[in-house]
Amino acid sequence: DTEVTQTPKHLVMGMTNKKSLKCEQHMGHRAMYWYKQKAKKPPELMFVYSYEKLSINESVPSRFSPECPNSSLLNLHLHALQPEDSALYLCASSQGRGRNTEAFFGQGTRLTVV
Amino acid sequence: QKEVEQNSGPLSVPEGAIASLNCTYSDRGSQSFFWYRQYSGKSPELIMFIYSNGDKEDGRFTAQLNKASQYVSLLIRDSQPSDSATYLCAFLRGAGGGNKLTFGTGTQLKVEL
Repeated sequence: DTEVTQTPKHLVMGMTNKKSLKCEQHMGHRAMYWYKQKAKKPPELMFVYSYEKLSINESVPSRFSPECPNSSLLNLHLHALQPEDSALYLCASSQGRGRNTEAFFGQGTRLTVV
Repeated sequence: QKEVEQNSGPLSVPEGAIASLNCTYSDRGSQSFFWYRQYSGKSPELIMFIYSNGDKEDGRFTAQLNKASQYVSLLIRDSQPSDSATYLCAFLRGAGGGNKLTFGTGTQLKVEL
């Protein structure tokens, strides 16, 4: 099973709403990632969790708040977003360390902020 | 200098030909290298990953890595119209106690009938 599952697939939210994106994997991977992708651009790294600890935050605004409840789950809490935050949000996972590791992506959540 | 450089294309090849996609990287600490295929509006799909110098083959795909030249490529044999997509090169390196996966800008491939 090489599946990373993201929910919801689509989300429309107002600028005053609070919502959460969810990501789940059962490959035993210990590194999980959040990426943001705008149209015709490559994925842009937001956060990395390694062994359930936040290891990388790419200077993401505090209106995005990640959470890793356990080794299989990763959440991204959204609050007071702006229209320019509309994008495809991608979750990925890989083994925690070492070079012999594949990194798989979920299907993404298409977020629209109105 | 960008961490990962790719020609944005579009690269057009006729059906049945070999498509050659190239990527250079600047970080010599990079550990693993990935090629992802991404269709418009979809998430990246892993095609190949390679971490040792040389070639790695999987079906119609061959990845080539040359660490001395900091160069990784992807060859697609017998190209099909369904191969038309954006191909993203990425590398993985340890950073801040975890791993960081960094992408190039992608090359758009068009396979023409």
